[in-house]
Amino acid sequence: NAGVTQTPKFQVLKTGQSMTLQCAQDMNHEYMSWYRQDPGMGLRLIHYSVGAGITDQGEVPNGYNVSRSTTEDFPLRLLSAAPSQTSVYFCASSTRLAGGPNSYEQYFGPGTRLTVT
Amino acid sequence: AQTVTQSQPEMSVQEAETVTLSCTYDTSENNYYLFWYKQPPSRQMILVIRQEAYKQQNATENRFSVNFQKAAKSFSLKISDSQLGDTAMYFCAFMSGGSNYKLTFGKGTLLTVNP
Repeated sequence: NAGVTQTPKFQVLKTGQSMTLQCAQDMNHEYMSWYRQDPGMGLRLIHYSVGAGITDQGEVPNGYNVSRSTTEDFPLRLLSAAPSQTSVYFCASSTRLAGGPNSYEQYFGPGTRLTVT
Repeated sequence: AQTVTQSQPEMSVQEAETVTLSCTYDTSENNYYLFWYKQPPSRQMILVIRQEAYKQQNATENRFSVNFQKAAKSFSLKISDSQLGDTAMYFCAFMSGGSNYKLTFGKGTLLTVNP
């Protein structure tokens, strides 16, 4: 199992450009989430999905769009990049099944470092 | 909304010694989970230990253990026999029961283990 994969690892954008951060998982997890990590702020939830076709906003959703057409993939779209979106982005997945040894654990991807100039 | 507070931005410890990282949280819920994640310079998020709020017994994982004080809403991490590889950022995190897709993180504590 590859677990949670993210591409690209690094990206530099100019203000106003758009791009999509890719996230995929091969664990058949129902839940997937996007977080951003800024210095001194910890990780904050951007958007999440509880299954294919179902998404919802987290704590800091402005400027980001998501969709989930398959269980495996959960891309994050920046429609018009701003310097305030310079951050490290993490995708995570988890199972909704309770009681197992890995229940309630979120599995994180390696992150994407995004710089907007 | 839940909040998680880590009051120690940075800490250091000598190799082989013991160190405790503090975490407090605020919630009105009764069913929740608490976690400690480690983030080394590679930036990968690694789960260190978790605690179910309904369990009174403190969780342990090898050299890592927690002191969970539910009434005080405190969840500290103790690292025994510190190793150089323990140098990392440590995040305390809260999850509501049944909401496996949403973690609320503290701001983190940067731990440095000195030789």
